[in-house]
Amino acid sequence: GAVVSQHPSRVICKSGTSVKIECRSLDFQATTMFWYRQFPKQSLMLMATSNEGSKATYEQGVEKDKFLINHASLTLSTLTVTSAHPEDSSFYICSARDRIGRDRVYEQYFGPGTRLTVT
Amino acid sequence: AQTVTQSQPEMSVQEAETVTLSCTYDTSESDYYLFWYKQPPSRQMILVIRQEAYKQQNATENRFSVNFQKAAKSFSLKISDSQLGDAAMYFCAYSLIISNFGNEKLTFGTGTRLTIIP
Repeated sequence: GAVVSQHPSRVICKSGTSVKIECRSLDFQATTMFWYRQFPKQSLMLMATSNEGSKATYEQGVEKDKFLINHASLTLSTLTVTSAHPEDSSFYICSARDRIGRDRVYEQYFGPGTRLTVT
Repeated sequence: AQTVTQSQPEMSVQEAETVTLSCTYDTSESDYYLFWYKQPPSRQMILVIRQEAYKQQNATENRFSVNFQKAAKSFSLKISDSQLGDAAMYFCAYSLIISNFGNEKLTFGTGTRLTIIP
């Protein structure tokens, strides 16, 4: 099956610094990738939709200048948390949509997630 | 806006028994997809089963089956012969279908934590 990787799996950074999270589709091309945020014992909340070669579409309430998303190729999207603060500590999950659909279904494949801790 | 509701924060079932997880949703659309995802302690999201709204037949995947009631906007998951490996957080999700581009973004419910009792 299709595999999506995320790097790093865990990261600890100091308040005020920036951290970049990579999301890669390993064996398929993904024209669209999604970034989610999950707080402990809560559901996944969509942050933004990333389309290859164009600007990301952010959900209401998500600061686009704080959460920078770049989707430069069909296999890589990056999320950069700028000037991180302790309240940004969370579990970040990406998913990638397979370019080739079957029966109108474009499968979404999830990465293993990145745990960000801001001290 | 579409919403997905899971009214059971926690459920438990004896190993080898059957359990049903509930999910309701709200939408004004007629063409959409519904999903059940499993999130084990590893936090990796795993697709369990998918249902296309235009199909009347309930989807099944081995021990997993759904009861899709479109008029009632209900989408429950039945797990038969529960196994220890089924212990996880289960999320119900909704996705709109947009023309030829396939699935739109997923809207998730709040999840149900399933415990399997040996």
